[in-house]
Amino acid sequence: GESVGLHLPTLSVQEGDNSIINCAYSNSASDYFIWYKQESGKGPQFIIDIRSNMDKRQGQRVTVLLNKTVKHLSLQIAATQPGDSAVYFCAENFSSNTGKLIFGQGTTLQVKP
Amino acid sequence: DAGVIQSPRHEVTEMGQEVTLRCKPISGHDYLFWYRQTMMRGLELLIYFNNNVPIDDSGMPEDRFSAKMPNASFSTLKIQPSEPRDSAVYFCASKETGGVTEAFFGQGTRLTVV
Repeated sequence: GESVGLHLPTLSVQEGDNSIINCAYSNSASDYFIWYKQESGKGPQFIIDIRSNMDKRQGQRVTVLLNKTVKHLSLQIAATQPGDSAVYFCAENFSSNTGKLIFGQGTTLQVKP
Repeated sequence: DAGVIQSPRHEVTEMGQEVTLRCKPISGHDYLFWYRQTMMRGLELLIYFNNNVPIDDSGMPEDRFSAKMPNASFSTLKIQPSEPRDSAVYFCASKETGGVTEAFFGQGTRLTVV
């Protein structure tokens, strides 16, 4: 029979190219957003975060963009490397009062050597 | 700090048996989260605690699931009785007080119910 499950969006890029991973969040009142990376057999690991009063934040090789108008986040990875291959999740903090952290669906990034 | 510690890493049990998953959060963190990850539903928040008190358990699927946090350094997630559809990877995460801080995850417990 056919298996039913989440078909994670997959982004396939060539090593050295830039990657852009997108995420739509659900709560317009969310005030804090985080990108996580999950490698096979491991728990999600923090990459970068952004507060709702910002629209851009840069880290080492990564940039997060926030568009509150359309409730959209993106993660840009510069000069993608094979070690970047993983599943990437965005998470939203539902409100600063609760600390409740909700995750999006996830995107699989495949880096071709 | 060794990070969030979960045990066991793998658990195989028979349907109907009780299963207890354990978590030790990072010292000083006062939020603790339990998540379940499956292919069907992705990463779901089951329950979270603040200062050892359950704040939101709306993600707990059924009465068969229960979670406790008897002190700041220990939490359990119990399934009784377990069913095959409970098979998943269960993650514990902790974070510091305040909304704008990231959560740190453990390595997860892979549960298989046969």
